[in-house]
This record gives sequence, structure tokens and C-alpha cells, in this order.
Amino acid sequence: DIVMTQSPDSLAVSLGERAAINCKSSQSVLYSSNNRNYLAWYQQKPGQPPKLLIYWASTRESGVPDRFSGSGSGTDFTLTISSLQAEDVAVYYCQHHSNTPPTFGQGTKVAIK
Amino acid sequence: EVQLVESGGGLVQPGGSLRLSCVASGFTFSSYWMHWVRQAPGKGLVWVSRINSDGSSTSYADSVKGRSTISRDNAKNTLYLQMNSLRAEDTAVYYCASTLKGSGSLMDVWGKGTTVTVSS
Repeated sequence: DIVMTQSPDSLAVSLGERAAINCKSSQSVLYSSNNRNYLAWYQQKPGQPPKLLIYWASTRESGVPDRFSGSGSGTDFTLTISSLQAEDVAVYYCQHHSNTPPTFGQGTKVAIK
Repeated sequence: EVQLVESGGGLVQPGGSLRLSCVASGFTFSSYWMHWVRQAPGKGLVWVSRINSDGSSTSYADSVKGRSTISRDNAKNTLYLQMNSLRAEDTAVYYCASTLKGSGSLMDVWGKGTTVTVSS
């Protein structure tokens, strides 16, 4: 199984400042057949189900604000929130969607400093 | 509107059984893979099981393999998870999720979840 490791486990950022979350996979999730990275990011607010933010490592889901962006390739990925807003307080998870079983990172809790 | 609504959770004794259901609406249910994902209290997301569009192929996490069965009724737009020999460590919120973007393990729509508590 592919192991997904996020860092940091938590971070506190001032409103309007940049937040970055890293995700590392134990093996590459880049498929050479289509040159796509099978990596997704989810946001989960307290008491709510997860919400898909980013897939194919950098494709923003419809309706997701453009302050959220994804980058990286192969085994190393980053979710960046360019200007943190109060409504972005949540836990963020990365997940590989390349094969079965799909696995999630342990989550990164984002708070306001 | 695309919607998934889970039900069937509850309090069950260790060794007991439950059948979770997930009713889908707003999309052609029979065309897409579906998943169950669980989240223990205060913990992260853990994939449990998936089923392909016609129900002919299934897969399970090792933690539930042999104790759980995923199935679907495309005529009723409903996904199921039959859970047997339940253990305390199965206590969690169980979410169903769809794969409308066509990448089999990309979970793009989630239900609100149903809570399973295994306790005596």
C-alpha cells in the first residue's frame, strides 16, 4: 500500500498570510501513460464531511476559491492557501487516487494565529 | 443536485452486525464506482471498501476484510455495507463517497455520514 505522510501535523497562520501543507507518498503517483499525478486534497471542517478541493495534484474542483492551489509531482506535493481566511480553518488531507487501496495522509490542522 | 444520504448506523454490541445504506440522487448512480470511508472519533480518514459500477468487482481494507460486504442495488440507487463481527475499533462515522470524475478512487462527492458505535 502507498503510505501518505503530511507535514506539519498542525500550523497556525495569521489572517491574510500564506499557509503551505506538504504531502509525501511512499511511491510515485505519477502515471507516465497520461502524465497525471493521482493526488487529491480534501478539506474537512468540524462536524462536516470531507470536501474535495484539488485533484490530479493541481486541478481545482469547481467552486473552490483560487486562493487554494496544488503543486508537485511524483512523490512530493504541496497544498498552498495564498491568503488565509477565517473560513479556511479546517483539517486538510491528501489522498492518492492511483490504485486500490486509496490511502490518506494523517491530516494537517490549520488554525488562525 | 448530487446528493448521498447514509443511514443504518447505531449502537451495537461487540460481535453484532449492522447494514449501512447510502441513497444516491442527482446523478446516474449505475455508472460510477462507490466507496465507504470511515473516521474514528478524533482521528483521520480511512478507506474501507469500494465497488465498481455494476457490482461485479469489490475491494476491502484489511481491517474489515472477511467481516464486511459491500454491495449495490442500481435499480434503487442504493449502496450498502454489511458489517459483521463488529469490534470496538469499528466505532466511527461511516461516509459513502462517489467517483463522478471517473477516476476510480477519487472521491468527489461525500454524504454527511452515519455513526456506528460498538460498545457493550
